[in-house]
Amino acid sequence: NAGVMQNPRHLVRRRGQEARLRCSPMKGHSHVYWYRQLPEEGLKFMVYLQKENIIDESGMPKERFSAEFPKEGPSILRIQQVVRGDSAAYFCASSRSDTGLPGSSYNEQFFGPGTRLTVL
Amino acid sequence: TQLLEQSPQFLSIQEGENLTVYCNSSSVFSSLQWYRQEPGEGPVLLVTVVTGGEVKKLKRLTFQFGDARKDSSLHITAAQPGDTGLYLCAGASYGQNFVFGPGTRLSVLP
Repeated sequence: NAGVMQNPRHLVRRRGQEARLRCSPMKGHSHVYWYRQLPEEGLKFMVYLQKENIIDESGMPKERFSAEFPKEGPSILRIQQVVRGDSAAYFCASSRSDTGLPGSSYNEQFFGPGTRLTVL
Repeated sequence: TQLLEQSPQFLSIQEGENLTVYCNSSSVFSSLQWYRQEPGEGPVLLVTVVTGGEVKKLKRLTFQFGDARKDSSLHITAAQPGDTGLYLCAGASYGQNFVFGPGTRLSVLP
């Protein structure tokens, strides 16, 4: 059973270009979360999605950032017109569900290896 | 806004020593998770605690959830260089997303 997969692992973009980060959740998981991590810092929540629905995007910048989780295919975090401040590690996590008993195995999050975005 | 604090922020110890790191909040969580993250990798889930006062052991690691479910501790016995990494706690409440602490960066020197 493959874990959460993210690609690319490393992405270099010049200012003004677009960055597309992909996340394939674990098999059987229908919930996806995106986080951003700056060097020497913890994880900052960005967005939570279920298939074809954005559930919570309270952590996502209002401009240039968007996320989707289509019925088929991976979840995509898209950053338009990247700036140097977007340079960070972006992690995706998946869980089976957010329902059921809190703390059950259903809402445990499992993380991918991350995509390291560098904006030149 | 729920906030999680972790202490210490940095910890450097010799192999064989014991250590405890802490995760504290003013909020009550329905569950709390501990992760370890190594450089260049994603966080790896170590444990989930859900019951106030709960203690879980994972080999040399002992996790405790506070009685009031606002805090947690992670104790490592006889630390090894392989324990080196960033230890993150994350709390979840009913209907809320996980909130992560800033982490404790542990370095175990051989």
